[in-house]
Amino acid sequence: QVQLVQSGAEVKKPGASVKVSCKSSAYTFTGHYVHWVRQAPGQGPEWMGWINPNNGGAKLAPKFQDRVTMTRDTSITTVYMELSGLRSDDTAVYYCARDVNPDHDTVTGYCDYWGQGTLVTVSS
Amino acid sequence: EILMTQSPATLSAYLGERVTLSCRASQSVLTNLAWYQHKPGQAPRLLLYRASTRATDIPARFSGSGSGTDFTLTISSLQSEDFAVYYCQHYHNWPQTFGQGTKLQIK
Repeated sequence: QVQLVQSGAEVKKPGASVKVSCKSSAYTFTGHYVHWVRQAPGQGPEWMGWINPNNGGAKLAPKFQDRVTMTRDTSITTVYMELSGLRSDDTAVYYCARDVNPDHDTVTGYCDYWGQGTLVTVSS
Repeated sequence: EILMTQSPATLSAYLGERVTLSCRASQSVLTNLAWYQHKPGQAPRLLLYRASTRATDIPARFSGSGSGTDFTLTISSLQSEDFAVYYCQHYHNWPQTFGQGTKLQIK
């Protein structure tokens, strides 16, 4: 069955960077865009951006454009999200999620499979 | 950016009860709206897309309606496994945004 398995929880100091991985299995990795969504404590989900695993192209929400990098490694069907300049308000659970559209050139914008989430805690 | 507003923030209901959750967009999203169910410690689960189309393996007791700016998610007869937080999300344009959620709890 389709799975997205994320890396484990992280604790980071302010100003540091964190890199979260998301390994996909049981579907054509390059066929579906992967989104990253985060959820801070007590808040609704916040969409961060997406990556096209077929060509590595990414689109980021404006507030993350200066601090987030999304990459992929097709040989191990894994996408990565790196967030730099961490602040306390970056403390959240970070999710990767597969876009529903199997056309590798098209993103629809909603997700049918999600990773289990990665808790990133930023604390001095 | 389109703002999604959900109401109520919390809803208490009995098993077997019919409930309706609301979601409002700050501008028209046509029917480009999805609903998710989220339980603590689990991945979110896609329930509905295109405002009213059930995702794979979603029970028929879940239904959605609406277009433009006003949407509803209805659960016809609450089961114990339905108590969770529900989020709406538009995908009409970029960036897609989520509502703040409705927590559905047992009365």
